[in-house]
Amino acid sequence: AQSVSQHNHHVILSEAASLELGCNYSYGGTVNLFWYVQYPGQHLQLLLKYFSGDPLVKGIKGFEAEFIKSKFSFNLRKPSVQWSDTAEYFCAVNARGSGTYKYIFGTGTRLKVLA
Amino acid sequence: GAVVSQHPSRVICKSGTSVKIECRSLDFQATTMFWYRQFPKQSLMLMATSNEGSKATYEQGVEKDKFLINHASLTLSTLTVTSAHPEDSSFYICSASVGLAGGTDTQYFGPGTRLTVL
Repeated sequence: AQSVSQHNHHVILSEAASLELGCNYSYGGTVNLFWYVQYPGQHLQLLLKYFSGDPLVKGIKGFEAEFIKSKFSFNLRKPSVQWSDTAEYFCAVNARGSGTYKYIFGTGTRLKVLA
Repeated sequence: GAVVSQHPSRVICKSGTSVKIECRSLDFQATTMFWYRQFPKQSLMLMATSNEGSKATYEQGVEKDKFLINHASLTLSTLTVTSAHPEDSSFYICSASVGLAGGTDTQYFGPGTRLTVL
């Protein structure tokens, strides 16, 4: 069965620290990859997405993610986090199952940035 | 653009009653809408996928007779929790997409509805 793993459940960083959140998926076929963010009290919104082409994708607010096919990974990075990046981050994979595409979300990583 | 609303944001009901949750795409036409359930400190669990004008596709383990989904127009989908029980208490989130081919769709999420069944 397809699955998405986010190994870091809680991350605490100081402002200006670098961030990397892990995301691994299990699916051998073509996948479309997403990172969503949920700020406190707000709904989920798209950070970035990868469909094809350059495996390093850039999203909003200085985030980027790299698709490494051989490692089935799509890790999220930001060189210098800000207090306003405090949120929950979800990795998602949209893969073709039995005839249709299905979104599968990871369990989320709660990031707290200390001012 | 791409705003999705949900109503109500919170609902408290008695056990045995039915509750309807609305999901609307405000500024785009949503060919496909999704309903998720989120438990505390857990990920979103897809309950069902609905395409406008056709029956919803339910995920394994989700009772279609208990969670009735209607997607009557390109901007509105409803989830009705019938004969709700305390174990149905949860955070229900809808999302909408324009239905691009090849699984490249971005989902636009609503703010969620907190259901508490007493």
